[in-house]
Amino acid sequence: AQSVTQLGSHVSVSEGALVLLRCNYSSSVPPYLFWYVQYPNQGLQLLLKYTSAATLVKGINGFEAEFKKSETSFHLTKPSAHMSDAAEYFCAVGNNQGGKLIFGQGTELSVKP
Amino acid sequence: DADVTQTPRNRITKTGKRIMLECSQTKGHDRMYWYRQDPGLGLRLIYYSFDVKDINKGEISDGYSVSRQAQAKFSLSLESAIPNQTALYFCATGRTGELFFGEGSRLTVL
Repeated sequence: AQSVTQLGSHVSVSEGALVLLRCNYSSSVPPYLFWYVQYPNQGLQLLLKYTSAATLVKGINGFEAEFKKSETSFHLTKPSAHMSDAAEYFCAVGNNQGGKLIFGQGTELSVKP
Repeated sequence: DADVTQTPRNRITKTGKRIMLECSQTKGHDRMYWYRQDPGLGLRLIYYSFDVKDINKGEISDGYSVSRQAQAKFSLSLESAIPNQTALYFCATGRTGELFFGEGSRLTVL
């Protein structure tokens, strides 16, 4: 069985500050891990993915995430927030045996000027 | 054109009515999915299909049915809509976990 927990339903940062969105997973098999972003009134778009290669994964728009097996975590970071980063972010877990993804509850990121 | 197209984008209906949400994709993937999004609950899987002859229930399939008419088409039906099925519904397609989503169908059941 697989599950994902995102810590914090709302995160607010100032423009230029570090963004840190937390995700912990549970998986009985080696996980594939994903971060998706949802802008208002749009569907989800893939930010980045971990599929058992490098543990530090770089994605689009300056985001990156580090897979830490010992902590069962896959936190999303960006060194300097931009106003355009305001959106909802979803962490998801899957595996290499099928395409079904289990999503976390989502974290809404606000960026203050 | 979008890779994954959902119709309708918005629908208001009444309790007890039958509703169909349609999805088509041009990505050429075999796997298609229907998710439901509710505030604070993230996305929950309703049904998924790995090919035309393979349909599987997800976490919350009660009250829903699906039809895979072709590799590119996957529709979701609510046989008798109820108010707690008010939500944003997403269709997706993909392989090995990387999914491509439609823009969503917002359903309101009064």
